[in-house]
Amino acid sequence: GQQLNQSPQSMFIQEGEDVSMNCTSSSIFNTWLWYKQDPGEGPVLLIALYKAGELTSNGRLTAQFGITRKDSFLNISASIPSDVGIYFCAGHHYGGSQGNLIFGKGTKLSVKP
Amino acid sequence: DAGVIQSPRHEVTEMGQEVTLRCKPISGHNSLFWYRQTMMRGLELLIYFNNNVPIDDSGMPEDRFSAKMPNASFSTLKIQPSEPRDSAVYFCATTGLAAYNEQFFGPGTRLTVL
Repeated sequence: GQQLNQSPQSMFIQEGEDVSMNCTSSSIFNTWLWYKQDPGEGPVLLIALYKAGELTSNGRLTAQFGITRKDSFLNISASIPSDVGIYFCAGHHYGGSQGNLIFGKGTKLSVKP
Repeated sequence: DAGVIQSPRHEVTEMGQEVTLRCKPISGHNSLFWYRQTMMRGLELLIYFNNNVPIDDSGMPEDRFSAKMPNASFSTLKIQPSEPRDSAVYFCATTGLAAYNEQFFGPGTRLTVL
């Protein structure tokens, strides 16, 4: 079945550092999404990307839809302690049912003050 | 606007008991997804509905699990009988036609089966 490879699995960084994580797919997607999950909560949508090459920002977060349509990355600039959490990528492939997403395994981010 | 509402937030039960988890989607959303999240397996899709009709239940672990969506504003996930290995966090997520690939998640139900 469809799989998403998300890396890295975990990151330990110092406050103020920039962060980069990515996802790759074995097939092409028409949508890439990035979610953040805080402890004890459900994943929250951060950024949605709909076009190959699209680069979208949400505050200190920037995500891009790869031109091959098989990958996406998320960057966080100048990290702060509240960035701690698990970040998930998700994709929707052509021909898939409405909203039926494939999720990555997540990147656990720890920020040291 | 209210987001996806799930109840209960926490459930502790004994093995063999019936468990019912509830979800109220965002008003106007027409697709609903049930997920299970564990440390070992991550986020697993159990079943999803489109316009109240089950589309794919291939992720449901076994016959002990069942899900219904009797109307556009309510869905249940039932486990009968429950087992300790069912302990997990169960999420409901919904999407609408306007941005149909953007799933919005509820806060989840943390289930512990003793």
